[in-house]
Amino acid sequence: KQEVTQIPAALSVPEGENLVLNCSFTDSAIYNLQWFRQDPGKGLTSLLLIQSSQREQTSGRLNASLDKSSGRSTLYIAASQPGDSATYLCAVVQGGSEKLVFGKGMKLTVNP
Amino acid sequence: EAQVTQNPRYLITVTGKKLTVTCSQNMNHEYMSWYRQDPGLGLRQIYYSMNVEVTDKGDVPEGYKVSRKEKRNFPLILESPSPNQTSLYFCASRPGPGRYYEQYFGPGTRLTVT
Repeated sequence: KQEVTQIPAALSVPEGENLVLNCSFTDSAIYNLQWFRQDPGKGLTSLLLIQSSQREQTSGRLNASLDKSSGRSTLYIAASQPGDSATYLCAVVQGGSEKLVFGKGMKLTVNP
Repeated sequence: EAQVTQNPRYLITVTGKKLTVTCSQNMNHEYMSWYRQDPGLGLRQIYYSMNVEVTDKGDVPEGYKVSRKEKRNFPLILESPSPNQTSLYFCASRPGPGRYYEQYFGPGTRLTVT
């Protein structure tokens, strides 16, 4: 059974720092991996999606990488801002499945 | 505006009193899903639907029912709610198979069962 882990569960940093968020998964036979952002009182917003054949995806200050063989993904946030404060979730879709399996998320606080 | 709406947003109810949480999307999406989010457990899929009249169980379907009679609506039904169903519920939709990046989530429904 696929398990997705995000460590640490929470992180507090000063504004301007470059951040690396980690995600690991136990079964490397994934279809894709996705990073989401969740704001309090709101639903999830998709940030980046990496297909299993890809190594990385970039959007603005965000860069996500995927190492399928080692079961790891990282989300890199450059020059963090207070507006980046949110919970970040990693999720994978297993090959041959239509289900998203989520990690428990990491709560990020960026202090001004 | 493309969106997934859920009603109600907040609900406090008592054990055993049947309730329905509605979910509606305006994007003509084929796929819709329900998730629950609990502290320490993360988001877990309850049910999903690949089109009208096509539904299947997710990871935690016990105690829930769904129906998909129209493409835009996917209600979640709790026939006899229990306190362990106290949770934050999300509905999601996407256009079709494989199109995960175009997935939209609703704002969530916070349910408390006493």
